[in-house]
Amino acid sequence: DIQMTQSPSSLSASVGDRVTIACRASQSVGRFLNWYQQKPGKAPKLLIYTVSSLESGVPSRFSGSGSGTDFTLTISSLQPEDFATYWCQQSSTSPRTFGQGTKVDVK
Amino acid sequence: QVQLQESGPGLVEPSQTLSLNCTVSGASIISGGHYWNWIRQHPGKGLEWIGSIYHSGSTSYNPSLKSRVVISVDVSKNQFSLKLNSLSAADTAVYFCARNYGDFGFDRWGQGSLVTVSS
Repeated sequence: DIQMTQSPSSLSASVGDRVTIACRASQSVGRFLNWYQQKPGKAPKLLIYTVSSLESGVPSRFSGSGSGTDFTLTISSLQPEDFATYWCQQSSTSPRTFGQGTKVDVK
Repeated sequence: QVQLQESGPGLVEPSQTLSLNCTVSGASIISGGHYWNWIRQHPGKGLEWIGSIYHSGSTSYNPSLKSRVVISVDVSKNQFSLKLNSLSAADTAVYFCARNYGDFGFDRWGQGSLVTVSS
């Protein structure tokens, strides 16, 4: 299985901050890397697919980059509704695997 | 607007079999080349992909659960299902159904169904 490792596991930030979350794969996943946002008691929501493609309806302050084994999710200016847990996920090979999550909370 | 809805028991006894259904509305389960998935999340923990099915019946399972899992599809009901046997407390989790296309992300999710394994 491909192991996905996110860093940090949690971070504290303020509204307006630029936030960066890293995701590293144990082997290359090419460009098949997706990002999700999850709020308590809710299902994950797809934000970005294939590294940098923004899902319909997702604000442009979210962006993704990287290739191979190293990827980044960036929130350019954190908004109140962005406090949540973020997950990366590889869809290159089966079984599909997720990172351990990054919780973004209020500083 | 495509929607997915899980249904099934919230409490199952140890050693028994969990059966969950996912009903798809707003789109046909046989159109669009989508795969239909089960994903679970242990309380306060990460996400674990259980497996997927195509409308043809072709399946793919996580090797960690493969010996205990069966995913099936009923195109007449626009529904797919999960059966997980030999349950233990370690299977207590929120079970989500979700859709994906090819090798892309899971773009539609059900709201999740909490399953507790306890006597």
